[in-house]
Amino acid sequence: GAVVSQHPSWVICKSGTSVKIECRSLDFQATTMFWYRQFPKQSLMLMATSNEGSKATYEQGVEKDKFLINHASLTLSTLTVTSAHPEDSSFYICSARGLRANTDTQYFGPGTRLTVL
Amino acid sequence: RKEVEQDPGPFNVPEGATVAFNCTYSNSASQSFFWYRQDCRKEPKLLMSVYSSGNEDGRFTAQLNRASQYISLLIRDSKLSDSATYLCVAMDSNYQLIWGAGTKLIIKP
Repeated sequence: GAVVSQHPSWVICKSGTSVKIECRSLDFQATTMFWYRQFPKQSLMLMATSNEGSKATYEQGVEKDKFLINHASLTLSTLTVTSAHPEDSSFYICSARGLRANTDTQYFGPGTRLTVL
Repeated sequence: RKEVEQDPGPFNVPEGATVAFNCTYSNSASQSFFWYRQDCRKEPKLLMSVYSSGNEDGRFTAQLNRASQYISLLIRDSKLSDSATYLCVAMDSNYQLIWGAGTKLIIKP
């Protein structure tokens, strides 16, 4: 199946710093990438949908100025958590849907565990 | 009411037994359905798609009932390695996935 990578796999940072998470589709071109967040024992919550070359569409309740998403190429999307606070500590997962991959299937990255002290 | 609802469990099942999960969805316009498996602290992995005609993959069988708006997952001859959280997912017409909260399955020796 298609492969999606995320970097870093985990990060610990101080409150107030910004953290960038990269999501790459390794063997297909991802026209659409999705960013999810998952708190412990809860379901994945979609944060935003990004299409290559256009602005991301954010879900209700997600601050677009705090969670900056860039999808500058067909293989890379980044999520920047600006001025992170402890309540932003979560598991962030990206997924990608693309040209080569089955259009009904999203392929998930391995996730990034963010801990804000 | 949640768009996709699942019994959170946990389901404690002896090894070798058969276990079934149901999941209901509220949006009748949902186009596609999936079961994902998620191990603790890992990303979800696609287990199988759910077709109107039903779908079987080895020990796993998925069924879709559009009239009653539910999907099911049946696991036969359960293995210890089947222990995980099983996530029911509906895809809307915009290709966005709507996730259930998951059903935790624990297979005991």
